[in-house]
Order: sequence, then C-alpha cells, then structure tokens
Amino acid sequence: AQKVTQAQTEISVVEKEDVTLDCVYETRDTTYYLFWYKQPPSGELVFLIRRNSFDEQNEISGRYSWNFQKSTSSFNFTITASQVVDSAVYFCALSSPYNQGGKLIFGQGTELSVKP
Amino acid sequence: ETGVTQTPRHLVMGMTNKKSLKCEQHLGHNAMYWYKQSAKKPLELMFVYSLEERVENNSVPSRFSPECPNSSHLFLHLHTLQPEDSALYLCASSQDWAGVLNQPQHFGDGTRLSIL
Repeated sequence: AQKVTQAQTEISVVEKEDVTLDCVYETRDTTYYLFWYKQPPSGELVFLIRRNSFDEQNEISGRYSWNFQKSTSSFNFTITASQVVDSAVYFCALSSPYNQGGKLIFGQGTELSVKP
Repeated sequence: ETGVTQTPRHLVMGMTNKKSLKCEQHLGHNAMYWYKQSAKKPLELMFVYSLEERVENNSVPSRFSPECPNSSHLFLHLHTLQPEDSALYLCASSQDWAGVLNQPQHFGDGTRLSIL
C-alpha cells in the first residue's frame, strides 16, 4: 500500500525563521514520484516540485529547498527566512506510474503560519 | 492567473437541490480530475478523465455525476447531497493521466460547497 505521512499538523513560526516540513512516504514501487503542493487561503493548490525516485539530489529554489532521502523514505521541505506570504497548507504527495495509473496519494497537510 | 478555472467559487444548496460545478482548463491538457477536500482530511480523488473518457471512479456515491464533454471542460453534477458532502471540491488537469513522466497536476481554486 502507498501512504504519505505529514506528522506536523500545524507549525507556527515568526518571520525570518527557517522552518522544515516533514514528509515520510511508503511504497513498494521502485519507480515513483514525490511532489509538494502549497495551498494558500484562496484554495488553489500550487505545484512546487516533483522529484523522481532515481534522483536523490537535493534541490534549492530561492528560499525553498528539498531534502530527498530514500534510506529514510523522507522528502522534507525547508523554507529559509520565512515570510508571512508563506503561510499556507503544504501537501506532500506520492505517485507511481505503474501503480493505480499514477494516482496522487496526498498526506494530510501541514498548516504553516508565519507571524510578522 | 490559474490555468484551471472553477465556477462557482462558493455554493450553498439544500439537500434536494440540483446544481453543477464547472471546471475549465486552458493548458491543452488531456487529463482532468475531481478531488474532494474535507476539513482535516487528505485530498480524496473522486474521478479521472483522460481524453474525455472516465478512467477512474473511486467509489463515489451516485449523487455525484461527472461529465466531460471535451478535453477542456469538466462538470460535476450534484443531486440530493448530504451534509457530509460539504467540502472544497478541486478540479485539476495534467498533460496526460498515466505514464512514466507523471507530469504535475495543476489545480483550480476550488468550489466551496455547503449543504444545508
């Protein structure tokens, strides 16, 4: 079975702090993809990153960085120098192209609140 | 501006009403999705359409009826809903439904549905 766990339900930080959102996944597939989405109060899910299971290189995009570790089945997301506009719910998701047609399995989300 | 547009943004209806949710994507994608997002729960995939054909129906009650007249439009017809159907309904699209590339899904803003 496939599963995504985001153990942190809510996180509150003060602006300019760094914050890491945890994501742990379970799958028996050797080929799979991991995603992070951001859902601001407006409701729309905004795609942030996709990483395939064969690429364990960490990625940095501006203040965002992702740490993919297959050994611990984790795909953590760090925001450096957080800003109020980062306040949102963040979802980690998993899909396997050879399992259920690539259906996205979402975690329960982590609500991040960045206070000024 | 999102490439996936949903209308209406908010909908309040009684249990005996019939209404429809509309989704339109301007991205030239071939696959479209309906998701349900209830409070404190992971997103639940309801339906998937690929090239205007339904390819997945995740045990959704018959009071939800999807329709995909063309690759750009997706509807969700609602009839005799229950209070537990109150949720945010999100539409998404992706280049293709299945395959090794697993392109990311692009989401609309959602329709916040309240059943009285």
